[in-house]
Amino acid sequence: QVQLQESGPGLVKPSQTLSLTCTVSGGSISSGDYYWNWIRQSPGKGLEWIGYIYYTGSTNYNPSLKSRVTISVDTSKDQFSLKLNSVTAADTAVYYCARTLVRDQLLLTYWGQGTLVTVSS
Amino acid sequence: DIQMTQSPSTLSASVGDRVTITCRASQSINKWLAWYQQKPGKAPKLLIYKASSLEGGVPSRFSGSGSGTEFTLTISSLQPDDFATYYCQQYTSPCSFGQGTKLEIK
Repeated sequence: QVQLQESGPGLVKPSQTLSLTCTVSGGSISSGDYYWNWIRQSPGKGLEWIGYIYYTGSTNYNPSLKSRVTISVDTSKDQFSLKLNSVTAADTAVYYCARTLVRDQLLLTYWGQGTLVTVSS
Repeated sequence: DIQMTQSPSTLSASVGDRVTITCRASQSINKWLAWYQQKPGKAPKLLIYKASSLEGGVPSRFSGSGSGTEFTLTISSLQPDDFATYYCQQYTSPCSFGQGTKLEIK
């Protein structure tokens, strides 16, 4: 059974870069069957899809965040990462990583438990 | 981008009730609609995909219907474990979610 676990700082200062990593266990990130996603949830904006990466490094980002987002993958560690730059208080949210089957578009079948990131000085 | 609108925002019901939640898309999404259940402090859990297909392990009291722009989630007989928040999602790219329906105990 695949498991996903988010990790990273819980507090980020305004204007800095938010960095999170998702570690995949119970399966290989190099399987060609899946996209590896980041989603966030805040009281103000609800659930918001950030983007995904394929094991080859190909990415797809939400246009609303595209200018500030980078998702990367490390297949040797079965990890993928999120960087969101120039953060403000509006980026305070619970951040989730999740897996989707390539054939099922963005149907989010497996999720990590989520990690709260607060943007504050 | 496609906007998803759920109603109601809050629903009060009793164990054994039949409840229905509605989700509307701002443009046709065919049947690319999923429903998730979320409990406090937990990640959303997939219940239904392709508008009406039940995810494995999900009780049969959950059902979904609709196509195009209007969809419904029905719980036929509420159980204590069902009190949670429910979200719809259209899962074409970029995907988008409804704002959620909180199902409360009356």
